[in-house]
Formats: sequence, structure tokens, C-alpha cells
Amino acid sequence: EVQLLESGGGLVQSGGSLRLSCATSGFTFTNYAMSWVRQAPGKGLEWVSGITGNGLTTYYPDSVKGRFTISRDNSKNTLYLQVNSLRAEDTATYYCANGVRFLDYWGQGAQVTVSS
Amino acid sequence: QSALTQPASVSGSPGQSITISCTGTSSDVGGYNFVSWYQHNPGKAPKLMMYDVANRPSGVSNRFSGSKSGNTASLTISGLQAEDEADYYCSSYTSSSTVVFGGGTKLTVL
Repeated sequence: EVQLLESGGGLVQSGGSLRLSCATSGFTFTNYAMSWVRQAPGKGLEWVSGITGNGLTTYYPDSVKGRFTISRDNSKNTLYLQVNSLRAEDTATYYCANGVRFLDYWGQGAQVTVSS
Repeated sequence: QSALTQPASVSGSPGQSITISCTGTSSDVGGYNFVSWYQHNPGKAPKLMMYDVANRPSGVSNRFSGSKSGNTASLTISGLQAEDEADYYCSSYTSSSTVVFGGGTKLTVL
């Protein structure tokens, strides 16, 4: 059974940083690109980063480029998202997902709240 | 990269068919057959319902079908059931090697 479990969310002050983790199991992690997607309160889904299976190539939309860094540790089957210079508009539920072109499996999400 | 355009809401009665549209540009929807659709119930993980325009993942009902014409993709649900009530999002791969989602459509089963 495929499982993705996010952790590392919480309440953080504006301007602060946070690292989200996504522990995976049930599939050959290194064979799959991975993504992070967020949903702000009352808003739709927004893709915020992707990474190839070998970790050598990363992708970001312009809206987060320079503040978000996606990475992975294939020895631990774990995906990460480093978020810096947090803003109120980064308040959201952050999901990790298997894939980039299409997102096969999703975690339950980690809540990030940025306070001013 | 602008979000893809979806209707905010659609509704239908049990047994009816509905279609949700998803309009982009030649840099995303129109340029690639990499459109996917997700069903999302609040508080739950989104679920992949369709990928590469018209491919159903294993376990998804054949009442769901996908298509594309030009810069607009569509998801059709036939034989509407109460359990289909949810938010639906389309997404597309883009020429920038990124992914863009639509704004989401709330499906109400009357």
C-alpha cells in the first residue's frame, strides 16, 4: 500500500522558515518524480515544486521561486520542502504527491500557518 | 503562469451527466496531452481521477471520462451519484516544465 505522510508543519512567524518532510512507503521512491502542492484556506490547489527521481532537477512556479527549495533523500524514501521568508499568503495545507505530470498518490497534508 | 479556467460550480441530479470544462492556452492544455483531473473532498487527500487527458487510473469508475479540444479539456461524469459530490480540479503540464491547476469546480448533486 502506497503511503505518504507529511510532517513539520506548524505556526511560524512572518519572515521565518520551515522544513516540511514527506515520508513515503509502498513504492520504489527513487523511480518517481515528486511534487508539493498547497491549498490556502478557501482557495484552490496550487503546485509549488517538483523534483526528478534522482533529485538532480527541480522545478518551481515563479510565485515561489527563490524562497522554496525541494529536495529528497532516496536512502530514506523522504521528500522535503524548505520554505524561507514566510509570508501570510503561505498559510496553507501542504501536500506531497507522487509524480509531476500527474499526481498519482497524495498525503493527508501538513498545515502551515504564518502569523504576523 | 495563470491558473486554468474552470466554472466555479456545476450541478446535476442523480443519474444525469455533467461536464466540467478546463480552459488554458497553447502553452499548457493546448500544447500537451498532459491534462489530469482530481477529486477533492474537504479534509481528505485529493484523488487522481483522470490523467493524460483520457486515461482512467485503476479503480476509478468508467462513469468518468476525459477529452480535449484545442485549449479546452473536459471531464464528464455520467450516471451522477451522490458520492460524486466534491471539488474537482484540472491540471496541466506547461511549456515551462511546471504544472498549473485550475481554480476548481464545486460539483453539487441535487
